[in-house]
Amino acid sequence: AQKVTQAQTEISVVEKEDVTLDCVYETRDTTYYLFWYKQPPSGELVFLIRRNSFDEQNEISGRYSWNFQKSTSSFNFTITASQVVDSAVYFCALTQPVNNNDMRFGAGTRLTVKP
Amino acid sequence: NAGVTQTPKFRILKIGQSMTLQCTQDMNHNYMYWYRQDPGMGLKLIYYSVGAGITDKGEVPNGYNVSRSTTEDFPLRLELAAPSQTSVYFCASSSAQGFTTGELFFGEGSRLTVL
Repeated sequence: AQKVTQAQTEISVVEKEDVTLDCVYETRDTTYYLFWYKQPPSGELVFLIRRNSFDEQNEISGRYSWNFQKSTSSFNFTITASQVVDSAVYFCALTQPVNNNDMRFGAGTRLTVKP
Repeated sequence: NAGVTQTPKFRILKIGQSMTLQCTQDMNHNYMYWYRQDPGMGLKLIYYSVGAGITDKGEVPNGYNVSRSTTEDFPLRLELAAPSQTSVYFCASSSAQGFTTGELFFGEGSRLTVL
């Protein structure tokens, strides 16, 4: 069975603060893919990043960075110097090659960045 | 650029009524999906299709039906609507091997209320 847990339901920060969104996953497979999606107020989900289970290198893209740690089954997402436009619901998700068509999503974390 | 288009955006149904949510994509993607999003529950896969004429059940298919007569269209039919089907529905598409790239393209969602 595969499962994704995002324990933080809502987070509120003030602009320019750094914020980390937590994601913990469960899977019995050694090969899997992890994702982050952003859902802005407009409602449409937007793909942010994909990681496969064999690549534990952290990734940085502008103000966004991701920390993948297999030892703790976590794939955390950090936004540095947050901006109001970062306000959205963020989803972590997991798939396995054996069942690539069943992407399991976490419950999401609603981030509010206040000016 | 249209991408994935869903209609209608909002709909109120009475218990027992039926309706079809329309989904069209113009990216020539083979894979298409229907998800439902309930508050605090993330997204759950209802049905998916890997190509015209091929569909399969996801995690929560009961109460729904789909068809895929063309590459572009993937309608979702609700028969005998129930209050438990009150949700936001998302259609998504991806090219072949989409999950290996994580590039799921989502529509803007359809908010359905069953009273």
